[in-house]
Formats: sequence, structure tokens, C-alpha cells
Amino acid sequence: QKEVEQNSGPLSVPEGAIASLNCTYSDRGSQSFFWYRQYSGKSPELIMFIYSNGDKEDGRFTAQLNKASQYVSLLIRDSQPSDSATYLCAVGRGSQGNLIFGKGTKLSVKP
Amino acid sequence: NAGVTQTPKFRILKIGQSMTLQCTQDMNHNYMYWYRQDPGMGLKLIYYSVGAGITDKGEVPNGYNVSRSTTEDFPLRLELAAPSQTSVYFCASRDPGTANSNQPQHFGDGTRLSIL
Repeated sequence: QKEVEQNSGPLSVPEGAIASLNCTYSDRGSQSFFWYRQYSGKSPELIMFIYSNGDKEDGRFTAQLNKASQYVSLLIRDSQPSDSATYLCAVGRGSQGNLIFGKGTKLSVKP
Repeated sequence: NAGVTQTPKFRILKIGQSMTLQCTQDMNHNYMYWYRQDPGMGLKLIYYSVGAGITDKGEVPNGYNVSRSTTEDFPLRLELAAPSQTSVYFCASRDPGTANSNQPQHFGDGTRLSIL
């Protein structure tokens, strides 16, 4: 059974701090990794995707991938109250494979 | 572009009734998906399609049916609705991607369905 694991949280950080969200996956053949943000009552919204080992930065967001450790993370710098949401990690294999989603980590950024 | 459009946004059904959740996309994406999301849970794949005329089961297909007669539309049919099907349903679509990369999925706004 392919699995994606996330700490459900809630993860609480003060405004302006770095929020670190972590995700582990069981399928060593996974090649595509996605982070989605989901506000309460809304649909998932793509934040970042990464395919290669290392870091990928986009504004305040950095995705980090370590395939040897089967670990992907999302860093949010200068966290804002508007970042308060549930963050879903999703993992896929190749171009044909379907995504496996984690249950999400709830992030709360306190003013 | 409207992206992925789902209708209706909300619906209450009685046990045993049937209905169709509509999903249409205007991005010419080959791949389309139906997920359900229960409270505090991640997304569970119900059915997916890799192109018109091609559909396949996901993780939780029981109680549902789909069809894909056009690239744009991917309706989800609930037959004999049961309380266990109370959930939020999301439709998504994406491009196929390259051999080693899976393109991001784009989601509709969801349909909130209650079975009473």
C-alpha cells in the first residue's frame, strides 16, 4: 500500500517565523511531489511542485526533496496569518501515475 | 479560462436517490479525476480518466460510476445514495506531463453533498 504521511498538527508559529511542514512517502519509485494549500471549505490550491533532489524556491516558499530518505518538506518564510490553512502533500510516479495525498498538516500563524 | 467547473456546489439527497455531479474543464487536459474528501482527511481517488472514452477505478469506486464522452466533461454518477457518501467531491484535471514528471492537477471548487 503506497502511503504518504504528514503530521496532522496543528502546527502553530508566530507571524514572521519560518514554518516547516514535513512529508514522508513509502513508494521509492515516486518521481513527482506537490504541495497544495487548502483553506477551510475551499478546494486545494497548488503551492509548489518538485521533481529533483534538492531545494526549489518560489517567493516565500521553498520545497525540499530527499529521495534517498523519501522525504519532502515545505518551508514558509516570514509566515503570515493568511498562510493559516491545511497543507496537503501529494506524491506521484512517472507521467501516468495517480497522486497519493497525505491527510494534511494544519498550520496556524498567530499575529 | 474558467479552469475546472463543478456543479452543483451544494446538494442534499435522500437515501436511495441518485444524482450526477458535473465537471467540465476548458484547458484541453487529457487527464481528469474525481476525489472525495471526508472531514480531516486527505483526498481519496474515486475514478480517473486519461482521455475521452477511457476511465478506470481509483481507491474508492464502489457506489459510483463515471463516463468520459468528451475531453471537456467527466460526470460522476451516484446510484442509490447512502449516508457513507456524504462528503465533499472534487474534480481535477491535468496535462499528461513528460516521461518522468507528473504535471500538477488543477481542482474545481467542489460539490458538498449530504445524504440524509
